[in-house]
Amino acid sequence: EDQVTQSPEALRLQEGESSSLNCSYTVSGLRGLFWYRQDPGKGPEFLFTLYSAGEEKEKERLKATLTKKESFLHITAPKPEDSATYLCAVQAGSNYKLTFGKGTLLTVNP
Amino acid sequence: ETGVTQTPRHLVMGMTNKKSLKCEQHLGHNAMYWYKQSAKKPLELMFVYSLEERVENNSVPSRFSPECPNSSHLFLHLHTLQPEDSALYLCASSQDLAGSRLGTDTQYFGPGTRLTVL
Repeated sequence: EDQVTQSPEALRLQEGESSSLNCSYTVSGLRGLFWYRQDPGKGPEFLFTLYSAGEEKEKERLKATLTKKESFLHITAPKPEDSATYLCAVQAGSNYKLTFGKGTLLTVNP
Repeated sequence: ETGVTQTPRHLVMGMTNKKSLKCEQHLGHNAMYWYKQSAKKPLELMFVYSLEERVENNSVPSRFSPECPNSSHLFLHLHTLQPEDSALYLCASSQDLAGSRLGTDTQYFGPGTRLTVL
């Protein structure tokens, strides 16, 4: 059974204080790993897809990396508007199903 | 309208009511999904449609009944719900289901319907 574990559950940063969120996964034949951002009361917003170990993708202050066992979402010099829950999901083989983690709630204080 | 839209955004219903949730995607996608999101739990896949045919019914109680009249619209009909069904219901769409070209199965979500069952 595919499993996704995100850590920490919650992270509080000061504005400008860089950090990383972790997504550990167990899956048979990773097809893709997805990162989403979710604001309170809204649907998840797609950020990145990573397909193979060693792949990296960037968007503004966010950078996602992938190894064979985990993915990191690095946040450089975060701003209060980066506050949200960040969700990680994996997709295995030819299966369309996404297995989601519980998310990391990020709060960036001004 | 762009992306994936859902109506209503908020719904309060009694256990004996019948209501429907509506989802519309403006992305030209072929696959649509219903998810349930409860507090402190990962997103749970409920139903999947591809080209208007249901391909997944993930052990969902019969009080939830999906309908996909065309590739742009998806409904979730609700009847005799329980208080534990209170949650955020999310609709998503993707170009295709997995198995085709990489990237075409990325799922894009709507804003959700916050359902409260009294």
